Amino acid sequence: ETGVTQTPRHLVMGMTNKKSLKCEQHLGHNAMYWYKQSAKKPLELMFVYSLEERVENNSVPSRFSPECPNSSHLFLHLHTLQPEDSALYLCASSQDEGQGGYEQYFGPGTRLTVT
Amino acid sequence: TQLLEQSPQFLSIQEGENLTVYCNSSSVFSSLQWYRQEPGEGPVLLVTVVTGGEVKKLKRLTFQFGDARKDSSLHITAAQPGDTGLYLCAGGPEYGNKLVFGAGTILRVKS
Repeated sequence: ETGVTQTPRHLVMGMTNKKSLKCEQHLGHNAMYWYKQSAKKPLELMFVYSLEERVENNSVPSRFSPECPNSSHLFLHLHTLQPEDSALYLCASSQDEGQGGYEQYFGPGTRLTVT
Repeated sequence: TQLLEQSPQFLSIQEGENLTVYCNSSSVFSSLQWYRQEPGEGPVLLVTVVTGGEVKKLKRLTFQFGDARKDSSLHITAAQPGDTGLYLCAGGPEYGNKLVFGAGTILRVKS
């Protein structure tokens, strides 16, 4: 039990659909992250939120839209995706700032398939 | 751009054998973390090392941070099938909270 939950665990969607991924952390952290994990590639950081403000956006296409309503919840809204967006999407959280504030705790991920 | 290179990319060994996974960079990191990820799950944090030369042990796993804080190794003694998984190293920057991840080492331990 990592204290970070993600729903749904699996999602199949067509290119014209709109769906959302949800992440919730129960660790009292104040930074949350979205990563994309594709086969044979390093984890790709998509978005970082610190104290509910977005502080990092690694040039992610606009078809991915994050939302962080509070420090415990993070959403990733998806629309008009492409087949190459199929991947495992991971949410993580950490205690922000300061020495050693980099230990990130991951959720189980959402396996997304775009048809 | 900071990069972390992991080697080997894939390792298949028999139960009981020893192995070492390496994580190397030309950049200095303030901390180095190791994660293990099983299929269909998210990475699970195993250890964090923060001091150059630091060695940490977790049962049969030994983690070492290089003296210059540019590299790290993970040594597993007497590997077991339960050790099978993807091992990821991640470097913490001097400032900020953006981790740099290696591509991972896939370990398969056969019984």
